[in-house]
Amino acid sequence: DAGITQSPRYKITETGRQVTLMCHQTWSHSYMFWYRQDLGHGLRLIYYSAAADITDKGEVPDGYVVSRSKTENFPLTLESATRSQTSVYFCASSEGDRESYEQYFGPGTRLTVT
Amino acid sequence: QKEVEQNSGPLSVPEGAIASLNCTYSDRGSQSFFWYRQYSGKSPELIMFIYSNGDKEDGRFTAQLNKASQYVSLLIRDSQPSDSATYLCAVLDSWGKLQFGAGTQVVVTP
Repeated sequence: DAGITQSPRYKITETGRQVTLMCHQTWSHSYMFWYRQDLGHGLRLIYYSAAADITDKGEVPDGYVVSRSKTENFPLTLESATRSQTSVYFCASSEGDRESYEQYFGPGTRLTVT
Repeated sequence: QKEVEQNSGPLSVPEGAIASLNCTYSDRGSQSFFWYRQYSGKSPELIMFIYSNGDKEDGRFTAQLNKASQYVSLLIRDSQPSDSATYLCAVLDSWGKLQFGAGTQVVVTP
């Protein structure tokens, strides 16, 4: 049972480049999320998806694009990377039950923009 | 003002003692509250959730919720070195969004 995986785990890129972070889950969870984690800010929601072809903005969506053509995949694209996007990115999934809203997190991608 | 506030710590706790972590939130319509544990360099994992006022116990962990005071806490009894981690408070707000605090670092000293 692979659960939720992210790739790559580490990425160094240059300012202005396009970067895509991949997320894959094997549970068929309806909801998927992308967060970034920076020191002092905790986890901040970038985008989320309630189902295939349904996505919505979170707290910090600027500079990011998502798509969800299949339930199991939720890629995050940085269209033109900036240094301020250096962060650790976590993908998560959830069945979306409002009462016990457990989110399962992937191992994270550490992205450095030079 | 942040939606969810936590003391950043570090909270230093002797082994075997009780660690007490606090969290306040601003959205009075919030209904569900979660505590995640995150080891250094790892992803967060859920350890407790609570949605009714009062206490909820699970092993050495107790979550306490007071909606009138907009306050949720986590107690870790008989703290072990393996409890050394950052603890994230998360609140499901009235918009259905999960808001995370910045986390409290706990260091359990032998």
